[in-house]
Amino acid sequence: NAGVTQTPKFQVLKTGQSMTLQCAQDMNHEYMSWYRQDPGMGLRLIHYSVGAGITDQGEVPNGYNVSRSTTEDFPLRLLSAAPSQTSVYFCASSYRPGNQPQHFGDGTRLSIL
Amino acid sequence: DQQVKQNSPSLSVQEGRISILNCDYTNSMFDYFLWYKKYPAEGPTFLISISSIKDKNEDGRFTVFLNKSAKHLSLHIVPSQPGDSAVYFCAASGGNDMRFGAGTRLTVKP
Repeated sequence: NAGVTQTPKFQVLKTGQSMTLQCAQDMNHEYMSWYRQDPGMGLRLIHYSVGAGITDQGEVPNGYNVSRSTTEDFPLRLLSAAPSQTSVYFCASSYRPGNQPQHFGDGTRLSIL
Repeated sequence: DQQVKQNSPSLSVQEGRISILNCDYTNSMFDYFLWYKKYPAEGPTFLISISSIKDKNEDGRFTVFLNKSAKHLSLHIVPSQPGDSAVYFCAASGGNDMRFGAGTRLTVKP
């Protein structure tokens, strides 16, 4: 069972470059979300989607874009990478938002130089 | 603002003893609470949850307690095993998003 798949696992970017982090799930989950994990800060919600065509902002959305054209995919775009976006990024999904555990991918470790 | 707080960055216990991890939240709209476990280089995995209509939920060695009036929940692991060594995240949900604490690193010594 694939579950939630994130690619790439590691990436190094230069300041100002753009990039898309990929996330795909094969569980037919309606709800998908992106988090970043930083030391001492835990997991902070960037953007989420409650279904295809619907996205909304989380706690820390600035500098990131998302779209949800299919149920399976939820890519995260960095428009102009900054060193402050160096982090580990996790994608997660569940059947619906709210009172349900989310399934997480294994993360993308991103470094911005 | 951090709506979910785990004030202990680390906890060390002896194998066979009880581990107690604590979590506080500020938003009274949260109605569902979870604990996740995370190993290095992996994503968090769901461990146990509790709805706001309950004050206790048990699953094997893991028990979560919820005190709504104090806006506090705790995770008890009894008995603790070396394989339980990991980072534990508390999470709270209300509506469409889920907020996480900063995590507590648990080390269980043989």
